[in-house]
Amino acid sequence: DAKTTQPPSMDCAEGRAANLPCNHSTISGNEYVYWYRQIHSQGPQYIIHGLKNNETNEMASLIITEDRKSSTLILPHATLRDTAVYYCIVRVNNAGNMLTFGGGTRLMVKP
Amino acid sequence: DVKVTQSSRYLVKRTGEKVFLECVQDMDHENMFWYRQDPGLGLRLIYFSYDVKMKEKGDIPEGYSVSREKKERFSLILESASTNQTSMYLCASSLSGQGIRDEQFFGPGTRLTVL
Repeated sequence: DAKTTQPPSMDCAEGRAANLPCNHSTISGNEYVYWYRQIHSQGPQYIIHGLKNNETNEMASLIITEDRKSSTLILPHATLRDTAVYYCIVRVNNAGNMLTFGGGTRLMVKP
Repeated sequence: DVKVTQSSRYLVKRTGEKVFLECVQDMDHENMFWYRQDPGLGLRLIYFSYDVKMKEKGDIPEGYSVSREKKERFSLILESASTNQTSMYLCASSLSGQGIRDEQFFGPGTRLTVL
């Protein structure tokens, strides 16, 4: 799996958009970008994933650059409950494959 | 909603004890995983299973074993607990097959302390 680089921490004001960047310059053509988050004392939670097109679901939007070397997870209206560590993972979409989490970005949403 | 449950949220054991961590999922998922999570080391795979009675070693299987006698249940066993096995243990499950989204559903975790 390709390596990813994320900032260790970010702050965001409640109600504002949170934009979390991820660099994955060595991504291969068949690797997807996945985002998970982990709220304190809970197991990780899937957020969204994509290959090359931008994706949106009820939780977030994922913007992938045209060269696929970086992406941004957008939480459009951050709430205090979005405070968590966000993990960007790049991997082949093979059901059953293990996940490998790096350090992630600790997002603090402040009132 | 998919639910993955783990037998304990917090567990304290003594060195040398045999420890059983149980994980149950209610969505008929074929794949189940055991990870441990430690500060600065991220998530590391211990064992996984693609089917009943089937198991495969992950990155750090030493000191652990697993059992999958039923599809919904995946047990992690520490044969003789040691202090370096103090960690957060996370169980996950996922569907199998081509074209599946490959989302893994995690349990709440068990924080194990070995004294």
